[in-house]
Amino acid sequence: EPEVTQTPSHQVTQMGQEVILRCVPISNHLYFYWYRQILGQKVEFLVSFYNNEISEKSEIFDDQFSVERPDGSNFTLKIRSTKLEDSAMYFCASSDRENDFGPGTRLTVT
Amino acid sequence: AQSVTQLGSHVSVSEGALVLLRCNYSSSVPPYLFWYVQYPNQGLQLLLKYTSAATLVKGINGFEAEFKKSETSFHLTKPSAHMSDAAEYFCAVSKTGGYQKVTFGTGTKLQVIP
Repeated sequence: EPEVTQTPSHQVTQMGQEVILRCVPISNHLYFYWYRQILGQKVEFLVSFYNNEISEKSEIFDDQFSVERPDGSNFTLKIRSTKLEDSAMYFCASSDRENDFGPGTRLTVT
Repeated sequence: AQSVTQLGSHVSVSEGALVLLRCNYSSSVPPYLFWYVQYPNQGLQLLLKYTSAATLVKGINGFEAEFKKSETSFHLTKPSAHMSDAAEYFCAVSKTGGYQKVTFGTGTKLQVIP
């Protein structure tokens, strides 16, 4: 069964550095999403993406975040200048009807 | 706006006992409702979903949930808990029609006591 994949599984970065989290959605899905889960908290929606543009974003998704579909298979989340509070698990999802979630990338900002 | 409230951040049951995890939703439009399970250090796995067909929804691993509009509830149940059910469970809501973001509850950690 097709799955959403994410790389890396764990990323450690220093405060102020840029990070790019990568996702490969399920191939015939058209909608893509990023969610975030800070340790011990609930999963929060960040952004949705359709037809090569952002369709909706939350107030968390500020100017330091960006998303891109650089080619036909990858979907990326970039954080320009990481802060300590960006440490979280980041989940990518793609949607045919319901969201199919990837396994997540744990981002640790030191 | 849509939201879900999960009652009880931690629930403990004995192995073989009934599992009941509570979820109430708030939505100004007919919702889709979901239960996800998250094992430690893993991703989110869909247990079951309500998409306005049958109100009693059966999912994987013996779980089921019933959509009750009058009570705005979507509680998750399993007749007999197994040790392997120990995990965190998230109730979630979206608008109908597919292709929608999902709004999650705060989660309930299920502990199964041998």
